[in-house]
Amino acid sequence: SQTIHQWPATLVQPVGSPLSLECTVEGTSNPNLYWYRQAAGRGLQLLFYSIGIDQISSEVPQNLSASRPQDRQFILSSKKLLLSDSGFYLCAWSVRVGDGGYTFGSGTRLTVV
Amino acid sequence: GENVEQHPSTLSVQEGDSAVIKCTYSDSASNYFPWYKQELGKGPQLIIDIRSNVGEKKDQRIAVTLNKTAKHFSLHITETQPEDSAVYFCAALKAGTALIFGKGTTLSVSS
Repeated sequence: SQTIHQWPATLVQPVGSPLSLECTVEGTSNPNLYWYRQAAGRGLQLLFYSIGIDQISSEVPQNLSASRPQDRQFILSSKKLLLSDSGFYLCAWSVRVGDGGYTFGSGTRLTVV
Repeated sequence: GENVEQHPSTLSVQEGDSAVIKCTYSDSASNYFPWYKQELGKGPQLIIDIRSNVGEKKDQRIAVTLNKTAKHFSLHITETQPEDSAVYFCAALKAGTALIFGKGTTLSVSS
């Protein structure tokens, strides 16, 4: 069966520090991968999605970037965190872009101080 | 791009009552509409979905209806139970893109 792993579960980082959040999927090949951010009262905001290695779409211009170094690995990064980057970051995968039924990871709670 | 509006933001009901959450979408090309349930500190989980060629779908106590003309869809939960308490998200999907979510509804079921 397919599983999705996200880590770390919680993270407290100072303003201006770098960020690296990792997401991996097991049990499937060529998944479509997604990063969402959930801020209080703002729902799930789509940040990036990827249909394959080196194929990443950015939905919101901001202080973050995404990379997909391997087929089943999706990384969310920042060179310098801002206070506004605080939130709950969720990774998800699906069989195909345009195909519903996303499976979400357990999320990373990021607090920038 | 797609925009999804969700109402209400909070909903409190008594155990056994019904709960209804409504969403509207902006892009008429969207063709898939899932609903997710999120419990505290966890990732959202898919509970029911509907495609644009269907008007209604039911799964035990939950049902979803879709009005393509009006571009709105709704989640109906009957005979609510305390374990239904959670945040519910609607979403819309256009082929070739990613899910766009509403802002969520916090449902509280009191016994």
